[in-house]
Parts: sequence; structure tokens; C-alpha cells
Amino acid sequence: NAGVTQTPKFQVLKTGQSMTLQCAQDMNHNSMYWYRQDPGMGLRLIYYSASEGTTDKGEVPNGYNVSRLNKREFSLRLESAAPSQTSVYFCASSETTGVYTGELFFGEGSRLTVL
Amino acid sequence: AQSVTQPDIHITVSEGASLELRCNYSYGATPYLFWYVQSPGQGLQLLLKYFSGDTLVQGIKGFEAEFKRSQSSFNLRKPSVHWSDAAEYFCAVGALDNYGQNFVFGPGTRLSVLP
Repeated sequence: NAGVTQTPKFQVLKTGQSMTLQCAQDMNHNSMYWYRQDPGMGLRLIYYSASEGTTDKGEVPNGYNVSRLNKREFSLRLESAAPSQTSVYFCASSETTGVYTGELFFGEGSRLTVL
Repeated sequence: AQSVTQPDIHITVSEGASLELRCNYSYGATPYLFWYVQSPGQGLQLLLKYFSGDTLVQGIKGFEAEFKRSQSSFNLRKPSVHWSDAAEYFCAVGALDNYGQNFVFGPGTRLSVLP
């Protein structure tokens, strides 16, 4: 019953450092997402991947890059971390077809602090 | 583009009292609607969803929600709140766009339960 697995769960970075958040899902979903959660702002979409081999920007993509490595894995990279990227990051997946949009399944989150 | 509002940032109810959390959405077509719950330090768990059909949907943990197209609302209800229901609740709308599936979340409502 793994579902969506994110690593690491906690990370502290200094300004300018880089890191990659890893995400894997075992539900054979075609769509995967990265969100950030900040107090009072709900979840905001950073990037998503509708299917293997495709990625698209969401609402807040600046400062991030993503890679859809295969159908299971979707990573989020911060090339040069900034304090404004201090947040809780959630990976999610869903099953979609041309006419159906399934619900999101979430990982447990990765809490990132940039000093 | 779709949007979601949750007018109540924080609600406090007594254990055993009834609960209604409000959600209003903006979307041009029939939306897919969701309620998620997030306990402190955890990921988001799906409570219920509306895709089509009966406008009153039942979910887990005794929650239900009613879709009212005329009011663009999808309010969450529970007849008798338990202390374990204290959490943050997010309403979301999902839709298919040119790039695939897109979800938009409301800012969340934090529920506190008094003993």
C-alpha cells in the first residue's frame, strides 16, 4: 500500500544550494504533480506531467525544474534555492483519460527550509 | 480558469455539534469537485468527490457534501463532529484542459473541536 512516496521528508538548505525532491507512485497513474503548500494559500501547482514524456508549468514554476523519468517517477529540482522556496512540497498522482479526471493521491510531503 | 473559495479560514465547533464547511467554485462547465482533509504534518486524504449524478455525495468518516449548481457551491457537512475531525479541509475543483488534468484548491478551512 505504498501509493505515492516522496523523499526526503525534511531538508534544510542554504541559499544558493541545489537539491532534488524525488517522487514515485505505484498505482500506474499517468499524471503526476508537484504542489507547494504555504500557510493561508492552500496548494499551488508548480509543475505537472499529464503523461510520461510530457511536463507543463503550473501556477508557480519559477525557480524549479522537473523530470518525468518514467511512468512511476517525477522529480522536482531546485537549482539555486532561495528563502522564498521554504515550503512544504507535495507530490501527487492521478489517473486521467480523455474524458475522465480522477482524484489526486498525495504523498506525505517534504518540508524544505532554505536559510 | 477555474477558482475555488472557502470563505471560512477557521471554524471552531463543540464535539457532537453539526458542521458545515463552505466551498464555492468558478468554472465554465460541470466541474469535478473534491474535499480533502489534512491532519497536522500529514498529506491530504480524499474525503469525497462529485463527478456527476446524485448531487448529495457520501464520503468517509461520516462526511457528506451537496453540489448545488445554481449556487456554484459544494459544501461539506457532518451531523456530529468528533474530536478526531480537527484538521484542515480543502475543497478542490478538477477539470481537463488542453494539457490534461488540472486541479485548483481553495485556501483551506481549519477546524478546531472543543471537548
